[in-house]
Amino acid sequence: DSGVTQTPKHLITATGQRVTLRCSPRSGDLSVYWYQQSLDQGLQFLIQYYNGEERAKGNILERFSAQQFPDLHSELNLSSLELGDSALYFCASSVDLEIYNEQFFGPGTRLTVL
Amino acid sequence: GQNIDQPTEMTATEGAIVQINCTYQTSGFNGLFWYQQHAGEAPTFLSYNVLDGLEEKGRFSSFLSRSKGYSYLLLKELQMKDSASYLCASSDSNYQLIWGAGTKLIIKP
Repeated sequence: DSGVTQTPKHLITATGQRVTLRCSPRSGDLSVYWYQQSLDQGLQFLIQYYNGEERAKGNILERFSAQQFPDLHSELNLSSLELGDSALYFCASSVDLEIYNEQFFGPGTRLTVL
Repeated sequence: GQNIDQPTEMTATEGAIVQINCTYQTSGFNGLFWYQQHAGEAPTFLSYNVLDGLEEKGRFSSFLSRSKGYSYLLLKELQMKDSASYLCASSDSNYQLIWGAGTKLIIKP
């Protein structure tokens, strides 16, 4: 158990809908990262937050958005869902930006868009 | 640009040794990570190298050559449970992890 929690574990929805994925980082970790992993694909970095502020952006679609709240939990919002958005979505957290930055991953949310 | 290369798939025999290579080109360098990921599960940390040389941790060892932009993960006494994907990630000058696509390791009896 990495200490990172994600809810829900599974999500099944229809095209055109909007969903919210939630992540709670490890206690003390200030950075939160979101990744997308489609079937048999590598990790695609989406976005990073550090202490409530956006720190880095990867290949995140305009239909997707995220935020990190004062209690450091984060939410990833996916809207106008398409079949191709079906994937595992991982959240990871790390202690700090400027030091050895091992990322600890949550168990993931499996999103199925029908 | 920034790039991480590792083989897509490798096959090895139970009890044997396998070496998974990774080459990287990143803007700045603050270390090289290896993660293991079983199918459908979260990646888990295996090793971190920032200085040249070999780091040994039980059956797993990781090597780094900064001048060559090269790392490898060595797995000894392979077990069936080692069947997984192995992800190489380089930490760049902004401490961002640049991820490779992963190497799927298949262990045969």
